Amino acid sequence: KAGVTQTPRYLIKTRGQQVTLSCSPISGHRSVSWYQQTPGQGLQFLFEYFSETQRNKGNFPGRFSGRQFSNSRSEMNVSTLELGDSALYLCASSRLGLAFTDTQYFGPGTRLTVL
Amino acid sequence: AQKITQTQPGMFVQEKEAVTLDCTYDTSDPSYGLFWYKQPSSGEMIFLIYQGSYDQQNATEGRYSLNFQKARKSANLVISASQLGDSAMYFCAMREGRRKGGGNKLTFGTGTQLKVEL
Repeated sequence: KAGVTQTPRYLIKTRGQQVTLSCSPISGHRSVSWYQQTPGQGLQFLFEYFSETQRNKGNFPGRFSGRQFSNSRSEMNVSTLELGDSALYLCASSRLGLAFTDTQYFGPGTRLTVL
Repeated sequence: AQKITQTQPGMFVQEKEAVTLDCTYDTSDPSYGLFWYKQPSSGEMIFLIYQGSYDQQNATEGRYSLNFQKARKSANLVISASQLGDSAMYFCAMREGRRKGGGNKLTFGTGTQLKVEL
């Protein structure tokens, strides 16, 4: 079974631009979560999608948004990029994400650099 | 308050030796899951092992085992017979059970950088 895939793997943008990152979950997985990883803040939860609906949201400004499609693929968008948005963005999928026993499997990440 | 604490920023271990990576957690939820992930320099988070709050026995997966001490709120990862390929960052994470709307959210510790030496 193929793992979680994320595209692109690397991205360089300038301040003020916007960016869209893509995530394809493991086949059959319907829950997709996004995390931001920075050296200063560590790993932080952005949001989770299930059945095309945002089910849970972390403490990030409205510039960070996402969506999920009917095939469970997900995208996240960051508008008006700031230098502090430079980070590794990780996507994770889980089967249903309803139980605390449901393991999240991560993709390789997208490394975003904002200049 | 920190929900997941990993007090060892860096660890060294000799090849073929066993190593324990510490993790303590804080939650008032009786239902929770504890996860360990490995992150090589490439960035991908690799799932290693899971322990549920109601599990009576410590989890094991190959060379990985989890020393779960519920009363102490600790979930230490033990890697037996370390290999050079085990050099990576290791994260402990927790998912609490009773969250409104079923929040599928992992809370991570700050990680432990493990270096395996010859």
